[in-house]
Amino acid sequence: QQQVKQSPQSLIVQKGGIPIINCAYENTAFDYFPWYQQFPGKGPALLIAIRPDVSEKKEGRFTISFNKSAKQFSLHIMDSQPGDSATYFCAASNTDSWGKLQFGAGTQVVVTP
Amino acid sequence: DAGVTQSPTHLIKTRGQQVTLRCSPKSGHDTVSWYQQALGQGPQFIFQYYEEEERQRGNFPDRFSGHQFPNYSSELNVNALLLGDSALYLCASSSYRGSHYNEQFFGPGTRLTVL
Repeated sequence: QQQVKQSPQSLIVQKGGIPIINCAYENTAFDYFPWYQQFPGKGPALLIAIRPDVSEKKEGRFTISFNKSAKQFSLHIMDSQPGDSATYFCAASNTDSWGKLQFGAGTQVVVTP
Repeated sequence: DAGVTQSPTHLIKTRGQQVTLRCSPKSGHDTVSWYQQALGQGPQFIFQYYEEEERQRGNFPDRFSGHQFPNYSSELNVNALLLGDSALYLCASSSYRGSHYNEQFFGPGTRLTVL
């Protein structure tokens, strides 16, 4: 049973556009929500993370929006660039699980020039 | 400062064989987690080691075992390999400081192919 559901599976945007990736979770015990970026042949790299006590977090061109009541969170990539073309994963974990990350299935983002 | 390192980079085995993958955590980190990533899917948690003990385990059979050494490095062993074990095996390290909001940093992975 997948505990974190991610959508869409893939998306294509033009340079400067704002790709938006959405994730939903069921386990209300989750209290840490990171996003990872993965390029082909590489391991995932941590982009940005949020805790449920805030509704939004920005780091550079990446923004996480968090809706605790809806059990949803999303990643926005502002002013996207071709170099942002990668697979993005949302994840979640809770304090009682020693940081065990539950990942979404991933979204392949392609930014065209 | 070296990040998380893993060896080997690629490995090809046949069904029924055994394999050992190795991981060195990022400097200053004491916790190592292992994940399996099948092609086109998100990483799946295998297990986590802290203070040389397995602390958490995901839904993987006993064929998957591990070890953590006093220098915090870790090994993942898989016995009786199946075709379905073909995947990218990722090691992630973090630092436990009494809080679980600790970032996990991933290595480049070991690509295992079982023929």
